[in-house]
Amino acid sequence: AQKVTQAQTEISVVEKEDVTLDCVYETRDTTYYLFWYKQPPSGELVFLIRRNSFDEQNEISGRYSWNFQKSTSSFNFTITASQVVDSAVYFCALSGPGGTSYGKLTFGQGTILTVHP
Amino acid sequence: DSGVTQTPKHLITATGQRVTLRCSPRSGDLSVYWYQQSLDQGLQFLIQYYNGEERAKGNILERFSAQQFPDLHSELNLSSLELGDSALYFCASSTTGQGWASPLHFGNGTRLTVT
Repeated sequence: AQKVTQAQTEISVVEKEDVTLDCVYETRDTTYYLFWYKQPPSGELVFLIRRNSFDEQNEISGRYSWNFQKSTSSFNFTITASQVVDSAVYFCALSGPGGTSYGKLTFGQGTILTVHP
Repeated sequence: DSGVTQTPKHLITATGQRVTLRCSPRSGDLSVYWYQQSLDQGLQFLIQYYNGEERAKGNILERFSAQQFPDLHSELNLSSLELGDSALYFCASSTTGQGWASPLHFGNGTRLTVT
């Protein structure tokens, strides 16, 4: 079975601080995809990034960066110089082709990030 | 804007009733997925349709059913509603049937409140 754990339930930072959201996953699939989604207060789910299990290169997009480490089954997300607009719930998710997991995203419980001015 | 349209935005109904949630996928997307988000269960996959056919099933109750029509819009029917069905219901779409590999684009959700 697939499982995603986001150990941090809530994080509170002051604007311009860097913040890292942790994500640890479990899967028996050798090929799988990892995702991060953002859910702002307005409620929609916004896709941020997809990473496949064969690509361990770190990725940077503006103030966002992602660190994928297969050896520790982690896919952490860092926001540099956080801003108030980054306040949201962030979800890490996993998908793979195996068995009953086919076609679905398994989400972590989410991390509530609050950035104070 | 993800391009996925869900209606209605809010729905308030009583226990025992039946409701229908509607979803229009992004233009060109053939797959539609339904997810339920509740405080106790988090985000749970319910069901996937690809080009009109059921492709994968998750934790969907027997009281719930879905279908995808020839124009690719989808409906999620919830019947014999219980208080515990109160949740945010998301529809998502993707280009291919391989939902496990494609990024899903989510609609804004329908917030269902059962009283």
